[in-house]
Amino acid sequence: GAGVSQSPRYKVAKRGQDVALRCDPISGHVSLFWYQQALGQGPEFLTYFQNEAQLDKSGLPSDRFFAERPEGSVSTLKIQRTQQEDSAVYLCASSSTSGQAIITNTGELFFGEGSRLTVL
Amino acid sequence: AQSVTQLGSHVSVSEGALVLLRCNYSSSVPPYLFWYVQYPNQGLQLLLKYTSAATLVKGINGFEAEFKKSETSFHLTKPSAHMSDAAEYFCAVAFGNEKLTFGTGTRLTIIP
Repeated sequence: GAGVSQSPRYKVAKRGQDVALRCDPISGHVSLFWYQQALGQGPEFLTYFQNEAQLDKSGLPSDRFFAERPEGSVSTLKIQRTQQEDSAVYLCASSSTSGQAIITNTGELFFGEGSRLTVL
Repeated sequence: AQSVTQLGSHVSVSEGALVLLRCNYSSSVPPYLFWYVQYPNQGLQLLLKYTSAATLVKGINGFEAEFKKSETSFHLTKPSAHMSDAAEYFCAVAFGNEKLTFGTGTRLTIIP
């Protein structure tokens, strides 16, 4: 597709359920990010992949959160035993460049529309 | 600690009036600064970014921002607001790596 695609767009889960959120980045993009955006807040960094390698997972809030990108393309963010505080919009972003080049003159992040998770 | 602050969670301006959205940062290293816009039900879109070249940065849709090191600011402006500018705007900063730190956002409303 032309842009970053995320699914499902909306997910309602009962507390304690496991959920999986999918991100299809722009074809050929080497870098992939996950951000969490709570209501009324700005996005917060969760994790970063360069191809299939997860280079930074410092933003994952607990060991219930797990992300993978096994073939360096599609990525899945999995949340186990969901809690109410996990309710947020989960944003995926991709870039054709990697590392610091993402933020310098020629780099750009392209964001998906997000997956809104509501935990009851 | 390195951070970014947006003053004013809601800003309303009349159509045709000046738009001014404020962003201040705190950093001990030279920052890279960004403004993103989020329209309803759409993903974040890059408006402009400062990467240590010109301090006055021009972006899409007539927006521009000026990096002022002495004030640690990167305010976003547009001379004349259009109805289509109604959206949420996020200031973001990167401190030497690929991770972006976002502000809490400013919702811009345009009054006809």
